[in-house]
Amino acid sequence: DSGVTQTPKHLITATGQRVTLRCSPRSGDLSVYWYQQSLDQGLQFLIQYYNGEERAKGNILERFSAQQFPDLHSELNLSSLELGDSALYFCASSVQGDGLPEQYFGPGTRLTVT
Amino acid sequence: EDKVVQSPLSLVVHEGDTVTLNCSYEVTNFRSLLWYKQEKKAPTFLFMLTSSGIEKKSGRLSSILDKKELFSILNITATQTGDSAIYLCASLRTGGGADGLTFGKGTHLIIQP
Repeated sequence: DSGVTQTPKHLITATGQRVTLRCSPRSGDLSVYWYQQSLDQGLQFLIQYYNGEERAKGNILERFSAQQFPDLHSELNLSSLELGDSALYFCASSVQGDGLPEQYFGPGTRLTVT
Repeated sequence: EDKVVQSPLSLVVHEGDTVTLNCSYEVTNFRSLLWYKQEKKAPTFLFMLTSSGIEKKSGRLSSILDKKELFSILNITATQTGDSAIYLCASLRTGGGADGLTFGKGTHLIIQP
């Protein structure tokens, strides 16, 4: 158990809908990272927040957004969902802003868009 | 665009065998190569390699980087069923944080008893 929690574990929704994924980092970690893992694209970095501020941006679609709250938990919002958004979404946390490679991954949220 | 290719995509061996997993990369401003093990769901960090020719070891796992030929290998000796997992490698660019990471698609390793 990495200490990073993600909810929900599974999510099934229809195309065009909007969902929110939630992540709580390890106690004391200030950075939260979001990743998407699909069969055809592999694991891809989406976005990083550090102490409430956006720190780095990867291949995140405009339909997706994220934020980190004062208590350091983070939410990833996915809107206008498409079939291709079906994937495993991971959150990871680290103490510092550039905590690579010591990121601790959560168990993931499996999103299925039908 | 940075590119990381892993081979094989899938590998089935018997317990006790030795396996070698390959990772090649084409990265602008390369800094490091990382290996992760993904069991069930969440990836866990194994190694980070920055210097060419220096082997990193952890128990039965070892890894080495060749910066001239742009590849890395991950060796697992005396494999056990608990080694069954997806092994991911990722390249990291200089000056990059997580936005400088490019992952390969992974090698799915299955160890049969």
